Amino acid sequence: AQKVTQAQTEISVVEKEDVTLDCVYETRDTTYYLFWYKQPPSGELVFLIRRNSFDEQNEISGRYSWNFQKSTSSFNFTITASQVVDSAVYFCALSARAGNNRKLIWGLGTSLAVNP
Amino acid sequence: DSGVTQTPKHLITATGQRVTLRCSPRSGDLSVYWYQQSLDQGLQFLIQYYNGEERAKGNILERFSAQQFPDLHSELNLSSLELGDSALYFCASSTGVRGGGDTQYFGPGTRLTVL
Repeated sequence: AQKVTQAQTEISVVEKEDVTLDCVYETRDTTYYLFWYKQPPSGELVFLIRRNSFDEQNEISGRYSWNFQKSTSSFNFTITASQVVDSAVYFCALSARAGNNRKLIWGLGTSLAVNP
Repeated sequence: DSGVTQTPKHLITATGQRVTLRCSPRSGDLSVYWYQQSLDQGLQFLIQYYNGEERAKGNILERFSAQQFPDLHSELNLSSLELGDSALYFCASSTGVRGGGDTQYFGPGTRLTVL
């Protein structure tokens, strides 16, 4: 089965705290892709990062960092020194083969509230 | 700004009616995807088109249909609307590279309210 689990439904932190959003995936595909998207209160879905299954290097972009661990099938997202503007729903997604097609499978999202 | 445009931004209509949602993909993207996001069901993939042809189908109801035109814009038609169809409808586009795994960029969405 192909699945993405974001076990944290809601997280609330105070500004400047670090926060990690967990993402665990399941797939038998050997070539797959992982994504994170952000959905702020305004509603649009914003692409944050894409990672392929052969690249386990961690990535840092400003206050955002991603930790990809194939051994634990996890692709966790950390926001350092969180800010109120980080308040949003964050979705993790997996692109893996389903028959002849590749399918994007979404987690249910983690709602992050950063309080001043 | 993702480069994907969707119109209209908001749509309010009555049960039983038919509406058309429109999407223009990013320049150069050949694939268009439609998603429905409702509070109780999360983000649901509806359908994908690649260069005018249907490529993949998800949980799309028979009352819903879509097409992609030669200029690559796409329309999602929703008919015999029910209260439960109220949702945010997203269009996304990608290059559609063979093998998949390419990034989908999302439009701002159309919020449909069925009264």
